[in-house]
Amino acid sequence: EAQVTQNPRYLITVTGKKLTVTCSQNMNHEYMSWYRQDPGLGLRQIYYSMNVEVTDKGDVPEGYKVSRKEKRNFPLILESPSPNQTSLYFCASSLVYGGRTGELFFGEGSRLTVL
Amino acid sequence: AQSVTQLGSHVSVSEGALVLLRCNYSSSVPPYLFWYVQYPNQGLQLLLKYTSAATLVKGINGFEAEFKKSETSFHLTKPSAHMSDAAEYFCAVSDRVGSNYKLTFGKGTLLTVNP
Repeated sequence: EAQVTQNPRYLITVTGKKLTVTCSQNMNHEYMSWYRQDPGLGLRQIYYSMNVEVTDKGDVPEGYKVSRKEKRNFPLILESPSPNQTSLYFCASSLVYGGRTGELFFGEGSRLTVL
Repeated sequence: AQSVTQLGSHVSVSEGALVLLRCNYSSSVPPYLFWYVQYPNQGLQLLLKYTSAATLVKGINGFEAEFKKSETSFHLTKPSAHMSDAAEYFCAVSDRVGSNYKLTFGKGTLLTVNP
């Protein structure tokens, strides 16, 4: 089954304790991206990756890091989480065609609470 | 840069009534446009997409949307609402911004269906 898998689905942590949210897709997609979803703000892009070893900032990258060592994996790293990073996070992937992304396939989401 | 405006953060309809969710976009190039649906505690699921073929696009669950270039709109409709349609709906536009093949989302419209 084609899917994007995120872990953990739920996490409560404390300020400053490093954490990683993993993301893996089995569709051989070149493009992967992380979004955060906050009430009234919709989805905002954090980071994206065009392919292995190619990553770049989205609209709200502060406080986050990513890596793309393998095509299927795109982990999101919070080196020193703060309460304003409490949010619902989505990983997504897509083929690229016609010079732009096609439909994004989303993971189920990871709800992070930072105390 | 592209942007998406969804008119009405909350729409309420009666079961069996017409559903109309409004989306206007701006884009520097002919857009790819998408509607996604999000059920509670789930990820985003693609309803339908426009990628420069037919302007009237049919999607899953009886939804359809019409691309109107002159109005820069991509409104989502369904002739008869069902209780199971209650969810949040997001319009998105795909474009290339520099090296970023990006989907930009509207802030979402929460659809309530009353019995």
